[in-house]
Amino acid sequence: EAGVAQSPRYKIIEKRQSVAFWCNPISGHATLYWYQQILGQGPKLLIQFQNNGVVDDSQLPKDRFSAERLKGVDSTLKIQPAKLEDSAVYLCASSPRHQETQYFGPGTRLLVL
Amino acid sequence: KQEVTQIPAALSVPEGENLVLNCSFTDSAIYNLQWFRQDPGKGLTSLLLIQSSQREQTSGRLNASLDKSSGRSTLYIAASQPGDSATYLCAVDLGGGATNKLIFGTGTLLAVQP
Repeated sequence: EAGVAQSPRYKIIEKRQSVAFWCNPISGHATLYWYQQILGQGPKLLIQFQNNGVVDDSQLPKDRFSAERLKGVDSTLKIQPAKLEDSAVYLCASSPRHQETQYFGPGTRLLVL
Repeated sequence: KQEVTQIPAALSVPEGENLVLNCSFTDSAIYNLQWFRQDPGKGLTSLLLIQSSQREQTSGRLNASLDKSSGRSTLYIAASQPGDSATYLCAVDLGGGATNKLIFGTGTLLAVQP
């Protein structure tokens, strides 16, 4: 069974630029999550999708972050414009249904200069 | 507001030792608690999931316990090996309706010396 795929693996941008991350969850998994992990901290949930609907985006900085999950499969997370404090690893995870074990991708490491 | 704390932040042990990692949380109203492993440059791997009604879970050399009333969980690793070196994270699932928000601790960085 293929795992959660993410791309790119690394990205370096300058502040005020925009960036997008892509996630392909495990086939058949209805629930998809995006987390932000700042160096030295645990991951923090940004947004949770159930199929293609948002069920929790309470911690997503909506003035600069946006996410979508078209057709209930792949998802993209966008930052526009980026700030220095957005430097982090962005992790995507999926689960068959909510409240079940989450499977994580390798993450995208973002550095904002 | 739920807060999750892990102690110690880092731990170094010689190969073969048994060890305990600690996790504490401030609000006992949790749906479940999970322990994850994170290797450098990689995502998280779920190790054990304990439902709120359970006291412990075991997988191989790993045993996790949960005491909701005191807001504590421990991860016991028996006969540690160099391959166990990684960051270990605990997370509580707040449950509740359609969402399952995981609140993570800051992790314990484990180094097992050969």
